[in-house]
Order: sequence, then structure tokens, then C-alpha cells
Amino acid sequence: RKEVEQDPGPFNVPEGATVAFNCTYSNSASQSFFWYRQDCRKEPKLLMSVYSSGNEDGRFTAQLNRASQYISLLIRDSKLSDSATYLCVVTLAFKTIFGAGTRLFVKA
Amino acid sequence: NAGVTQTPKFRVLKTGQSMTLLCAQDMNHEYMYWYRQDPGMGLRLIHYSVGEGTTAKGEVPDGYNVSRLKKQNFLLGLESAAPSQTSVYFCASSYYSAYNEQFFGPGTRLTVL
Repeated sequence: RKEVEQDPGPFNVPEGATVAFNCTYSNSASQSFFWYRQDCRKEPKLLMSVYSSGNEDGRFTAQLNRASQYISLLIRDSKLSDSATYLCVVTLAFKTIFGAGTRLFVKA
Repeated sequence: NAGVTQTPKFRVLKTGQSMTLLCAQDMNHEYMYWYRQDPGMGLRLIHYSVGEGTTAKGEVPDGYNVSRLKKQNFLLGLESAAPSQTSVYFCASSYYSAYNEQFFGPGTRLTVL
């Protein structure tokens, strides 16, 4: 079993749609959680950190469920510019594990 | 600030050749990392450093060596390149720990023939 698993997609959604991604992790001792965004042939960039209490940044909401060992990302009112690969990231001590990513295509 | 820079951006090697990838950061970060990214897989950690003069193995260290002689630079060496090392290599840095945001360089696309 992979340490961090994501649905690779692709998710194809129209502009204005709401889309949600989930990510599961295997190590219950994991301590920090993030969503990164990676555009085609570019480097990953931090989208947002994920906390147990949940956090929201504009159209983006991230949630952490420690009991079920998954994190989620919700994107509301999708824009064309949201088209990218979204990477789930889990950290434990010095070890950072990246998921393989979920591809999102937003269509006009 | 340039952030994290990587040299070169592209390289083609023949099997058995050696090369060094250079990563530089100007954010005074303590931690630096080297990852490789292959299709369908997440970024995998090759080596990392928690400060000047220190290095440690990551998930996939075989066939690579690293050095961190200066705080701002982290070098990744391939001693004898193999086709399995064809990949995109990303360098990253973070302020004080892996719990902080990691800032990535633009990547180096390496092909080993």
C-alpha cells in the first residue's frame, strides 16, 4: 500500500463547478499535511496547509480527518486557471511523502 | 530574490557518464532537499540536508551523492549515470524543518541514453 494515495483523475469539470479531491495516508503518526499545486512542466508550489480544524482560503477549503486518515481539498467556483495537478503531502519528522497527484481540467 | 535556482535546466547523458546538478537558494533556509519525479509517481526524496555540512539519505539514494559545503548550495552528483535515472530532478528548501513550506526550484530534466 502506498503511503499517500490519491485518485489520479483526470477530473474534467466546467467553469463554475465545485470539485473535491481526497487523499489517504497510511501512517497514523503523520504530523503535517499540505496541498501543493503543480502546473504542467513546472515546480510544485504550496497551495495551503491542512489543519484538523479545517482551513479556507478564498475558493479553496482543506480538511483533515485523523481518525479516517484522509485529507480533502474542495474547490468552489472553478476557474480555467485552476487546471493543474494537485499534490497531497504528508510529513513525519524528516520524511515528506508526496502523493502522485490528481489532475484537474477546468473547461470553458 | 531569486528563490531557488537549479543548473542546468536540461541535460542528456550517455550511460556511465557523470554529472553534478547545482541548487542554490537565497532565502537563508536551513533545510534543502533533492527529489526526483517520474510519470505516475509522486516526488521521491533522494537526499536531504538539515544544515551546512550535513547530508542524509532519503527514500531513493542509490546512485547519487550530495554535498552541502555552503548553506546556500546543495549539489547532487551522479557518479555513473544509468537509464533508470532519466527523470525530472527538483531541488527544494525550507526554513527550519520539513513541517514548513518547501520552496522548489524549476527542475532539471535529465535524459540518460
